[in-house]
Amino acid sequence: AQSVTQLGSHVSVSEGALVLLRCNYSSSVPPYLFWYVQYPNQGLQLLLKYTSAATLVKGINGFEAEFKKSETSFHLTKPSAHMSDAAEYFCAVTLSGGYQKVTFGTGTKLQVIP
Amino acid sequence: GAGVSQSPRYKVAKRGQDVALRCDPISGHVSLFWYQQALGQGPEFLTYFQNEAQLDKSGLPSDRFFAERPEGSVSTLKIQRTQQEDSAVYLCASSLLGGSGGYNEQFFGPGTRLTVL
Repeated sequence: AQSVTQLGSHVSVSEGALVLLRCNYSSSVPPYLFWYVQYPNQGLQLLLKYTSAATLVKGINGFEAEFKKSETSFHLTKPSAHMSDAAEYFCAVTLSGGYQKVTFGTGTKLQVIP
Repeated sequence: GAGVSQSPRYKVAKRGQDVALRCDPISGHVSLFWYQQALGQGPEFLTYFQNEAQLDKSGLPSDRFFAERPEGSVSTLKIQRTQQEDSAVYLCASSLLGGSGGYNEQFFGPGTRLTVL
């Protein structure tokens, strides 16, 4: 079984400030981990993924995340927030075997303050 | 098509009506998933198809929910006697392979927003 926990359902940052969205996972086997972004009334867009290669993964729009097995974490960061980053972000996990159904977290809504 | 498409994009139903939601996966994709996203929540797994075989329906919330993929391509999610708690966005995703090991990326459609009045 697998699960993810996102800490903080709402996060506010000032434009230009560091973005840090927290995610911890639980998995019985080596996981694949993802961050998705969802803009209002739009579908899910894959930001980045960890699939057991490099532990620091870079994604689109300047986001990156680091897989830390010892901490069971996969936090999402961006050095400088932009107004266009305001959206909802979902951390997700799937097992590395089988047909890989995705388990999502409950989401973190990011607000960027001008 | 270039991606996963879903229709209709929006559906309003009166309580008690039956609805059918369609998913057109990427051509040639073996795996197809349905997820339900309630307002303010993350998507939750409903069911999985490998070609025409429904291998996992553990996430379907009740026997009012039924999914099929008769020819291993297009899939339909049917909800009978809709209830207000069925209001949600229904997402479809497809991936190229079945459970063959290695990373198998899922591509998501835009979803169908169902509102039950």
